[in-house]
Amino acid sequence: KAGVTQTPRYLIKTRGQQVTLSCSPISGHRSVSWYQQTPGQGLQFLFEYFSETQRNKGNFPGRFSGRQFSNSRSEMNVSTLELGDSALYLCASSPLSGANVLTFGAGSRLTVL
Amino acid sequence: ILNVEQSPQSLHVQEGDSTNFTCSFPSSNFYALHWYRWETAKSPEALFVMTLNGDEKKKGRISATLNTKEGYSYLYIKGSQPEDSATYLCAFKGFGNEKLTFGTGTRLTIIP
Repeated sequence: KAGVTQTPRYLIKTRGQQVTLSCSPISGHRSVSWYQQTPGQGLQFLFEYFSETQRNKGNFPGRFSGRQFSNSRSEMNVSTLELGDSALYLCASSPLSGANVLTFGAGSRLTVL
Repeated sequence: ILNVEQSPQSLHVQEGDSTNFTCSFPSSNFYALHWYRWETAKSPEALFVMTLNGDEKKKGRISATLNTKEGYSYLYIKGSQPEDSATYLCAFKGFGNEKLTFGTGTRLTIIP
């Protein structure tokens, strides 16, 4: 069965631009979470969506937003990019919210120049 | 702010040796503790999800224990092999609608 698919895998943007990242979860998984990973930091939680509703949000500015569609696919958007937004963005899906194990995608590596 | 700490940050182990490392988390409001293995250039891969105090899980040469009363979990690797080289992450989830909080990981390098 297909895994979690993230697109694009790599992208380069300049400061002030905006970016949209996409995540297709495993078929049947209804929960999608997003994480940011920067050097020296652990995985920082961005948000979780379940059945098109945001269930939880991390401590990130409002420039970071997301949504989930009826087919459970999710997108996250970062507006007015800053140099510090350069990171690996990981998406993970699980069948339900709660203690379920996460299946991660390969990530989208964003570089902001 | 939840504190999930892992120690050591990194270690080098000779092939064939056994090793272990620690994850510390809040001892109150415990719901679940996850362990993931993250190999370079790959996605993090789930090892265990532990929910009960005293839980012990095993997967091949890797095992984990959980003490929710004192807020720690140990991950053990027996007879380390080169393919065990990876970063091992733990993540804590509390009761209620709480996010999964990850530690910064233990980077394990196996020396052939």
